[in-house]
Amino acid sequence: KQEVTQIPAALSVPEGENLVLNCSFTDSAIYNLQWFRQDPGKGLTSLLLIQSSQREQTSGRLNASLDKSSGRSTLYIAASQPGDSATYLCAINTNAGKSTFGDGTTLTVKP
Amino acid sequence: DTAVSQTPKYLVTQMGNDKSIKCEQNLGHDTMYWYKQDSKKFLKIMFSYNNKELIINETVPNRFSPKSPDKAHLNLHINSLELGDSAVYFCASSQSAGGYEQYFGPGTRLTVT
Repeated sequence: KQEVTQIPAALSVPEGENLVLNCSFTDSAIYNLQWFRQDPGKGLTSLLLIQSSQREQTSGRLNASLDKSSGRSTLYIAASQPGDSATYLCAINTNAGKSTFGDGTTLTVKP
Repeated sequence: DTAVSQTPKYLVTQMGNDKSIKCEQNLGHDTMYWYKQDSKKFLKIMFSYNNKELIINETVPNRFSPKSPDKAHLNLHINSLELGDSAVYFCASSQSAGGYEQYFGPGTRLTVT
């Protein structure tokens, strides 16, 4: 059974800092991994999708990496802004379409 | 232009009642999902449909019955509501079932009193 853990559970940083969010999973037989952002009271917004054959994906100030063998993914946010404040979730997907989510990291970026 | 929409956004009801939540996607996707997010923000998949066929059913009480009248719709009917059913329910869709990127609806906050 796949288990997904995200560390830290909460993170508070001053504006402008670079930061890393971590996601670890127990079963390396994944199809892909997806990072989401969830704002309070809102749905999930997809940020990045990394296929199991890829090592990293980039979108703007975001960079996600994947190391299947060690069961880890990181989401790197460069030059953080207050608007980045949200909960970030990683999800492990199988090729059958089943997703297992982590508990999320709640990020607060202080002006 | 809403890609995945859900109705209602909020639902407050009493124990024992039966209620439905509707979901529609206009992305032309083949696969749709229902997730439950509890008070601790833990998100867990409940059901998945691909081309109107049930493909994932995760240990969900049979009081919950999904129905997919067509590829663009996946509704969730809940019988005999219990206090523990209070949560936010999210609908999502993806191009196909093979681990494609998922797009989420805004959620339906269900409160059972």
